[in-house]
Amino acid sequence: DTGVSQNPRHKITKRGQNVTFRCDPISEHNRLYWYRQTLGQGPEFLTYFQNEAQLEKSRLLSDRFSAERPKGSFSTLEIQRTEQGDSAMYLCASSPKARLTDTQYFGPGTRLTVL
Amino acid sequence: SQQGEEDPQALSIQEGENATMNCSYKTSINNLQWYRQNSGRGLVHLILIRSNEREKHSGRLRVTLDTSKKSSSLLITASRAADTASYFCATDRSGANSKLTFGKGITLSVRP
Repeated sequence: DTGVSQNPRHKITKRGQNVTFRCDPISEHNRLYWYRQTLGQGPEFLTYFQNEAQLEKSRLLSDRFSAERPKGSFSTLEIQRTEQGDSAMYLCASSPKARLTDTQYFGPGTRLTVL
Repeated sequence: SQQGEEDPQALSIQEGENATMNCSYKTSINNLQWYRQNSGRGLVHLILIRSNEREKHSGRLRVTLDTSKKSSSLLITASRAADTASYFCATDRSGANSKLTFGKGITLSVRP
């Protein structure tokens, strides 16, 4: 399978715990995006990387959130001291080198439930 | 914040009928994309239309773009039960580093 993969697919955690999600983009895609989607809403942009550089972060990304893409391939999104409001689907997408007509390819998402 | 607004919010049709979904947005765009999402799953890219294009076709899909009205429509012809899903329009705004801004989505139900 050469699509975007995300792990784990589901995560249930207790409030206050830390969680980490992983995204493996399509090979050779140098742009990687993280989005968050809550129930009944469309995805909202969190952050994106071009290769290993994190070029933009949304104000939605509080200081409890951190994302890395250390070698310009896979990326991790960590949430520290989780809160119930963090419960959502976390989606990763990748695209090839930026042009005006780049499609973003999404992974299946990681659904986080904070109890 | 979400830029796009789709309408209607929900649509229920009979198999074989056509489904038309509309999207409006607020700022200049590089392109507009439509995605489908089955319940609890990731997003599947359907079609992309550039800001200098007015109409595009892909199989049973037809999308139009009117940049003067800042609106787009997605037409699914000869709908099937398998088309039941949520549909989102997403805009790639000019100067926005290709990040996508999504609407809240349209829930389409196709009755067999």
